[in-house]
Amino acid sequence: AQTVTQSQPEMSVQEAETVTLSCTYDTSESDYYLFWYKQPPSRQMILVIRQEAYKQQNATENRFSVNFQKAAKSFSLKISDSQLGDAAMYFCASLFGNEKLTFGTGTRLTIIP
Amino acid sequence: DADVTQTPRNRITKTGKRIMLECSQTKGHDRMYWYRQDPGLGLRLIYYSFDVKDINKGEISDGYSVSRQAQAKFSLSLESAIPNQTALYFCATSDPGTGGARTGELFFGEGSRLTVL
Repeated sequence: AQTVTQSQPEMSVQEAETVTLSCTYDTSESDYYLFWYKQPPSRQMILVIRQEAYKQQNATENRFSVNFQKAAKSFSLKISDSQLGDAAMYFCASLFGNEKLTFGTGTRLTIIP
Repeated sequence: DADVTQTPRNRITKTGKRIMLECSQTKGHDRMYWYRQDPGLGLRLIYYSFDVKDINKGEISDGYSVSRQAQAKFSLSLESAIPNQTALYFCATSDPGTGGARTGELFFGEGSRLTVL
């Protein structure tokens, strides 16, 4: 079975500091996509960043970047210069060959002023 | 207006009642999904549809049914609601695209919070 695992139920970071959220996955596919979604208290699901498995270069979106280690099946999210608005649940997700998005269990991120 | 709209946003009902959650989209996507979110469990797929004539069960379809009335509409029904179906339900859409246009991204509605007493 294809799985996505987030081992950190909760994380906290001081405002303006950097935090890394972990995600690992398991698949035998060679072509797939990986995502980080953010869910603020408004409960809306917002795409933060996307990585195509065939691309070796790590994706970056402003203060958000990923560390994609394909051999290790690891896909961590780094948030730099953390801001109060970054407080949310963060879900790692993967789209494998079966075209269905599989989610991890989420990490609740708290920003300490 | 939202591209993916879910109704109702919030609903409280009693055990044994029939409930329908509706989803409509203006994105023109063929693919639509229903997910359920529970604390500590993330989002789990209930049903999905890749076009109007295609309906597929997800990992937790028991106790649920769906109807794809049109490309833009995908409804989720609970025939006889039970308390452990209390959850936040999300509808989502995607466009498979081709080649470089394929992104795999899902576009979500704002969620329907259902409470079954």
